[in-house]
Amino acid sequence: DGGITQSPKYLFRKEGQNVTLSCEQNLNHDAMYWYRQDPGQGLRLIYYSQIVNDFQKGDIAEGYSVSREKKESFPLTVTSAQKNPTAFYLCASSQGGSQETQYFGPGTRLLVL
Amino acid sequence: GNSVTQMEGPVTLSEEAFLTINCTYTATGYPSLFWYVQYPGEGLQLLLKATKADDKGSNKGFEATYRKETTSFHLEKGSVQVSDSAVYFCALSETPDSWGKLQFGAGTQVVVTP
Repeated sequence: DGGITQSPKYLFRKEGQNVTLSCEQNLNHDAMYWYRQDPGQGLRLIYYSQIVNDFQKGDIAEGYSVSREKKESFPLTVTSAQKNPTAFYLCASSQGGSQETQYFGPGTRLLVL
Repeated sequence: GNSVTQMEGPVTLSEEAFLTINCTYTATGYPSLFWYVQYPGEGLQLLLKATKADDKGSNKGFEATYRKETTSFHLEKGSVQVSDSAVYFCALSETPDSWGKLQFGAGTQVVVTP
């Protein structure tokens, strides 16, 4: 089945630690996105990528980093510079046009110890 | 900049009741409009979309019409079920060269009781 997988489902971060969230898609989509969701709020865009080896900052990129070495994969690293990382993180992919549907993964919940 | 405003929740209603969730937007150009649904602990799923003015999107008994004159995209369902309990997000996609970036509303929680 085609789709998007995210791992792990839950992730715990200690103070000063970097953690990486995995996102893989087998939909052959060019564009991939990372969103952050806080309770009672909508989704906010962290980073997006239009094509392999290229990515752009979204609205809240500070304290995060990404890479896009393969079309299928778009991992997100939450660095120690992100002072309030506790949130639900959602990865999505699409064909990339403004009319195209974004397909979402099941999400990763990040908690700080 | 672009923005999406949704009615606040939670919206609580009985099974078989009529559901309306208001959504208005501010955008330059001609955005595409979407409704996504999120069930507890899951990612988002597309419910319906409309890509130009006066288009009506529909799916699973839900409908929404793209109204450019009132900059609205209200979601409606004539008879809700308990299984429709979820959070509903209105979103817009920016100009054609934006590579599909979405601007989301805050979401509206819907609770349907038997």
